[in-house]
This record gives sequence, structure tokens and C-alpha cells, in this order.
Amino acid sequence: EAGVTQSPRYAVLQEGQAVSFWCDPISGHDTLYWYQQPRDQGPQLLVYFRDEAVIDNSQLPSDRFSAVRPKGTNSTLKIQSAKQGDTATYLCASSWTNNYAEQFFGPGTRLTVL
Amino acid sequence: AQSVTQPDARVTVSEGASLQLRCKYSYSGTPYLFWYVQYPRQGLQLLLKYYSGDPVVQGVNGFEAEFSKSNSSFHLRKASVHWSDSAVYFCVLSDSGGSNAKLTFGKGTKLSVKS
Repeated sequence: EAGVTQSPRYAVLQEGQAVSFWCDPISGHDTLYWYQQPRDQGPQLLVYFRDEAVIDNSQLPSDRFSAVRPKGTNSTLKIQSAKQGDTATYLCASSWTNNYAEQFFGPGTRLTVL
Repeated sequence: AQSVTQPDARVTVSEGASLQLRCKYSYSGTPYLFWYVQYPRQGLQLLLKYYSGDPVVQGVNGFEAEFSKSNSSFHLRKASVHWSDSAVYFCVLSDSGGSNAKLTFGKGTKLSVKS
């Protein structure tokens, strides 16, 4: 069974540029999560979906961040006009009906904003 | 509100020595508890989980953890560490296994194993 995949693995931007991260969850997993992990800290939930619906996006830092999951499978997280404070690793995870508490994580995208 | 505290940001042990990584949680209900490991430049991998029953749970690669409701703790142990165990370990709390389950992470403990 393939795990959660993410791309790109690394991104380096200047402040003000936009960036998108892509996630492909485990097949059959209806719930998808995006986390932000600053250096030397634990992951913090940004947003999560059940199928194509946003369940909770209250932790998205600002309106510069947006996330979609149009067909209930893959998902894209976008940052408009990135700032240095957005420097972090962005993790995607998925889970399914039998046990939503157990989440499976992708390798992450390490973002550096200069 | 729920929280997880890992009091040791860094731990260094010699190869072959025993290990304990500490975790304390704060939650008024019945917790679901996990330990995840993060190797350099990799995602988080589940080591073990506790939902209910026997307070000592076994995980992968010889790791085990003990749940204590009275102490609100979920410490991770290993009898003999290997250099490949060097990684960051996260203690994680979920408020349920249901559809609104959310994970709360500790800040992590970076383990370095000296050869």
C-alpha cells in the first residue's frame, strides 16, 4: 500500500512570492490534514477535510493561506505572498473511518522564505 | 483544553543503554495516546498507540510505553538503544477516535545515541 505522498520536497522563495504544495493521501482515506511544523517544534494543525468538505480551517494563519480538495482525493495548500515567518515544514496526513485518531503522515515539504 | 508536555528537549544516551523519554498530558476525558518518531528529512512514523486496556503497550523496534492515569503520563522506554534510534520523538494526544478527532503534539525530544 502506497503511503502519503507530497511534492515538492523542498521550496525556497523570496518574500512576496506564492507557492503551492500538493498531497496525495492513502487510497480510501476520507480525511486529509495539513500541518505546519516550525523548526524544532511539533506539528500544528492548519486545516482538515473530510472528502471534499473543509471541516476546520480556523487555524489557517491568515487569508494568505488557502487549501482545497476538490474531488475528495488529492489536496493543494497554497501560500500567497509568502513571509519569512512562513518558513517551516508543511506536513500532510490522512486517516479513515475505522480510526480517525491514527493519522498517516507524508514526508513533508520544507519551505524556506528568504 | 488539552496539552502535551515533553520536558526534555534533548536526550543523549550511549548505544546499548536503556532509554526513557518522558511525556505528561493534560486532558479531562479519556485520552488516545501515541508516540511518533521523525527521522531526519522524513515524515512522522507511528511507534505505538494506547487506547485502553493494558497500560503497557508494545511498539515497533523494541519500544514500549506505559500509560498512567494517576500521573497523567505516557513515558516511552527501550531496553537497549541502537545508533539508528537517533531521531526526534513526539508524544501525541487525541481527544477521541471519532470523526472530529484532533491531534495535539508535544514539542518533541531529540534523541542522540552515541556509539
